[in-house]
Amino acid sequence: GENVEQHPSTLSVQEGDSAVIKCTYSDSASNYFPWYKQELGKGPQLIIDIRSNVGEKKDQRIAVTLNKTAKHFSLHITETQPEDSAVYFCAASDSWGKLQFGAGTQVVVTP
Amino acid sequence: DGGITQSPKYLFRKEGQNVTLSCEQNLNHDAMYWYRQDPGQGLRLIYYSQIVNDFQKGDIAEGYSVSREKKESFPLTVTSAQKNPTAFYLCAVQDSSYNSPLHFGNGTRLTVT
Repeated sequence: GENVEQHPSTLSVQEGDSAVIKCTYSDSASNYFPWYKQELGKGPQLIIDIRSNVGEKKDQRIAVTLNKTAKHFSLHITETQPEDSAVYFCAASDSWGKLQFGAGTQVVVTP
Repeated sequence: DGGITQSPKYLFRKEGQNVTLSCEQNLNHDAMYWYRQDPGQGLRLIYYSQIVNDFQKGDIAEGYSVSREKKESFPLTVTSAQKNPTAFYLCAVQDSSYNSPLHFGNGTRLTVT
């Protein structure tokens, strides 16, 4: 089955700097890759997603890149702000279309 | 997500008791999911249902049971057979499109002592 690894587990950045989170997946048939942001005590919220026919997608300060050959995808947050502090999860669809999640990255943005 | 309601937000039970967590949605989505989240870990799939009156086991179904009698409701029962029931439980919904995103509720934190 699909196995998703996510790094780093924690990430501390200065406000205004960029943050990058990387994920790898094992199932070459995976073709859908969402990213979620989870604030304390709440459910994860979808922030951006990418499908395998696209190599990069951007939404304001957030971008996701996908390398299908290497089976890895990354989340880039530019000009980080304190409200970006949260846990971020990557996910990849398995052969049945179900999502497998990475273990999460705790992002802390310090003023 | 406003269209998905999980209740209660906090739940306390004594060991040996069954407990049922509620998940209701008004998004008219076909698929519903239950995930378990433990500190420092990702989301692990317990059960999922793609249509009414049908559901499948996920990766960690032992000690849990579900029902899907109505499209808008997918309750999860944590039985006394679940060895480590204390966790944060998340319900999610998905429309019928292949590879469409999951939308999560705000979770129920279950503590069993």
